[in-house]
Amino acid sequence: DAKTTQPPSMDCAEGRAANLPCNHSTISGNEYVYWYRQIHSQGPQYIIHGLKNNETNEMASLIITEDRKSSTLILPHATLRDTAVYYCIVPNAGNNRKLIWGLGTSLAVNP
Amino acid sequence: ETGVTQTPRHLVMGMTNKKSLKCEQHLGHNAMYWYKQSAKKPLELMFVYSLEERVENNSVPSRFSPECPNSSHLFLHLHTLQPEDSALYLCASSQAIIFTSGGHNEQFFGPGTRLTVL
Repeated sequence: DAKTTQPPSMDCAEGRAANLPCNHSTISGNEYVYWYRQIHSQGPQYIIHGLKNNETNEMASLIITEDRKSSTLILPHATLRDTAVYYCIVPNAGNNRKLIWGLGTSLAVNP
Repeated sequence: ETGVTQTPRHLVMGMTNKKSLKCEQHLGHNAMYWYKQSAKKPLELMFVYSLEERVENNSVPSRFSPECPNSSHLFLHLHTLQPEDSALYLCASSQAIIFTSGGHNEQFFGPGTRLTVL
């Protein structure tokens, strides 16, 4: 199974960029990397996904290394409302109908 | 109402009670999911339905019984639960259920039901 490794926690100053790393060294060639976040007491929220090219949307940017073994989610100007647990997720290699969730990175944005 | 809704938001039940969790999605999606989120553990996929047919059942105890009467509604029937079943139960939906190349699929989650079993 492809799995991900993320730091358990990070801090970021309000207004600065938050760069959240993820290692997914066992990812297969056709598996997307998904990023979600979960704000306290809410359900997870989709942020962005990518295969091998860098991606950007209104919420964040996703940088994927050329070998696809790691990626970085970038929140360009973090706000207090970005305080949440961020999950980097890949599909189950043996079952492409399942996503493998880890414990994520707890990001604290400080004023 | 938009997105994915879940009721109730909080539920306290005894081990001998029978209760049901309800999920409704207003997104026109074909797939619906039940997840369990326990403290300090990753999300655990419980059940997956595609076009009202159950396609995944991840070794979930029979005291949890899902029901999908149509593509917009999903229920989780609970009976004779144990205290270790206390958790946040999340419902999600997506357009399809394949997560590999060509089938990228974001899941939309409801707010969850916080279940406490006494």
